[in-house]
Amino acid sequence: GQNIDQPTEMTATEGAIVQINCTYQTSGFNGLFWYQQHAGEAPTFLSYNVLDGLEEKGRFSSFLSRSKGYSYLLLKELQMKDSASYLCAVKDSNYQLIWGAGTKLIIKP
Amino acid sequence: IAGITQAPTSQILAAGRRMTLRCTQDMRHNAMYWYRQDLGLGLRLIHYSNTAGTTGKGEVPDGYSVSRANTDDFPLTLASAVPSQTSVYFCASSVSQGGTDTQYFGPGTRLTVL
Repeated sequence: GQNIDQPTEMTATEGAIVQINCTYQTSGFNGLFWYQQHAGEAPTFLSYNVLDGLEEKGRFSSFLSRSKGYSYLLLKELQMKDSASYLCAVKDSNYQLIWGAGTKLIIKP
Repeated sequence: IAGITQAPTSQILAAGRRMTLRCTQDMRHNAMYWYRQDLGLGLRLIHYSNTAGTTGKGEVPDGYSVSRANTDDFPLTLASAVPSQTSVYFCASSVSQGGTDTQYFGPGTRLTVL
């Protein structure tokens, strides 16, 4: 079967750095996506990785290792508005997105 | 309108009733999707459409039907609602189903079936 694993919840301090891990087992791989979802709102796109390595976008970076079936999202200089759920999703061989259950990130002052 | 809109925002429905959730996008995207999101689970694909006139089944299609008469609209119908269909429903669209194409989401419909 297909499976995406990510921690259920993480806590971090304002101004700090946090890394949210995602491991996946899917039938085929056509890219990995990270989305942010604030409570009661729709998911919004953060990043996309299809090749191994790090993609940096301002305070957010995403890393991919296809051989290990592993990705992480790195958030720097955490702000209170970063409190949200972070969803990892992999596009499989049929180009369908398989979603993890999401990681709820709690930021404390 | 800009992006994707969904209607209604929320709905309480008696079991056995028929319900259509509406989704409209103005980005001229070819591909559209319906997901449900339940606590503790990832988004699950119900149905999708790669282009107007075609539809396909996702992971959890039972009890749901869709149509894609034109590019902009992708309604989801529950023929006879059951309590297990209580969920938040998101419509999404992308330029195509290709690897790099990002899915953009509507604001969601919160549905409660009693």
